[in-house]
Amino acid sequence: DIQMTQSPSTLSASVGGRVTITCRASQIINSWLAWYQQKPGKAPKLLIYASSSLESGIPSRFSGSGSGTEFTLTISSLQPDDSATYYCQQYSDYPLTFGGGTKVEIK
Amino acid sequence: QVQLQESGPGLVKPSETLSLTCTVSGGSFSSYFWSWIRQPPGKELEWIGYIYYSGYTNYNPSLKSRVTISIDTSRRQFSLNLSSVTAADTAVYYCARRIRTHDGGGFHFDSWGQGALVTVSS
Repeated sequence: DIQMTQSPSTLSASVGGRVTITCRASQIINSWLAWYQQKPGKAPKLLIYASSSLESGIPSRFSGSGSGTEFTLTISSLQPDDSATYYCQQYSDYPLTFGGGTKVEIK
Repeated sequence: QVQLQESGPGLVKPSETLSLTCTVSGGSFSSYFWSWIRQPPGKELEWIGYIYYSGYTNYNPSLKSRVTISIDTSRRQFSLNLSSVTAADTAVYYCARRIRTHDGGGFHFDSWGQGALVTVSS
């Protein structure tokens, strides 16, 4: 199985600040990566697919980059509504696997 | 706009079979990969498997011996059966639509149900 490792596991940042979350794959997955946002008690919500393609309706402050084994999700200007847990997910190979999540808190 | 809704018992006894159904409303039912994903309390997401509208299935090897996913296109429903459950199967179970983009670069979950908590306990 492809292991997805996210860092950090938790981060705290101020409103308006820049946030970067890293996701590393245990083997090369090209750009076959998606990012999801999950708020407590809610289903995950797609943010980014194909490493850097922004899902329709998602604010442009979210961006994704990377290929191969290392990927990043960036929130350019953190908003109060962005408080959530973020997951990466690879779809290069089966079984599909998710990262352990990064909890983003607002200072 | 597509909507997915899970339904089924919230409590299942150990060694019995967990059964959930996902009803899809709005949008097309064909040409998508209909999936089940679960999340134990406080833990990360785990992909269980998917079924294509044609009936083709693909399961997570860690669960393959206990999982069956079926589809009823006339009712716009797909279902999950997980046999011989234990407390480790306690989780929120999500159904989700998996979409492949035209350029082939995306093959992700674009729509999710709200989730159904299933507790395994006697």
